[in-house]
Amino acid sequence: DVQMTQSPSYLAASPGESVFISCKASKSISNYLAWYQQKPGEANKLLIYSGSTLQSGTPSRFSGSGSGTDFTLTIRNLEPEDFAVYYCQQYYEKPLTFGSGTKLEIK
Amino acid sequence: EVQLQQSGAELVRPGTSVKLSCKVSGDTIIAYYMHFVKQRPGQGLEWIGRIDPEDDSTKYAKKFKNKATLTADTSSNTAYLKLSSLTSEDTATYFCTTGATEGIGDYWGQGVMVTVSS
Repeated sequence: DVQMTQSPSYLAASPGESVFISCKASKSISNYLAWYQQKPGEANKLLIYSGSTLQSGTPSRFSGSGSGTDFTLTIRNLEPEDFAVYYCQQYYEKPLTFGSGTKLEIK
Repeated sequence: EVQLQQSGAELVRPGTSVKLSCKVSGDTIIAYYMHFVKQRPGQGLEWIGRIDPEDDSTKYAKKFKNKATLTADTSSNTAYLKLSSLTSEDTATYFCTTGATEGIGDYWGQGVMVTVSS
């Protein structure tokens, strides 16, 4: 199985700041990488797929980069609604596997 | 727009089974692979498996092969997850998800909480 190592597990930042979340795969997954946002009481939201392609409706302050084994989710100019938990997920092969999540909290 | 509506919360006894539903609206279910994901309280997301409603073919994560059974009813546009021989380790929220590209969760159900307790 492809192991996805996500870091940090916890991040505190202020509105207006930028944050970076890392996701490393245990083997090359090309660009078969998605990022999701999870908030209590809401459906999980797909933000980015193919490593860097924004899903329709994802604000442009979100960006994804990387390929192979190393990926980064960047959120610039944080808005209050961005404070949530973020997960990466590989879909290169079955079983689909997720990173352990990053909880982004307001400082 | 595709929407996934999951059944309500369940409180079940250890050793029993439970069957959860995920109804697709806005499109026909045979257009999508339906995936199910587990999330234990305070933990991350774990892929259980997926079903292709067009031919009922399934794939499971190894650890769920004897725990989970996926089925689909195309007449009602609904996918099902049955969990058997329940233990406290099965207490979790279960999500269904699908999308235009296999493996990417464009759409998610709201999740259903299953509590296993005597």
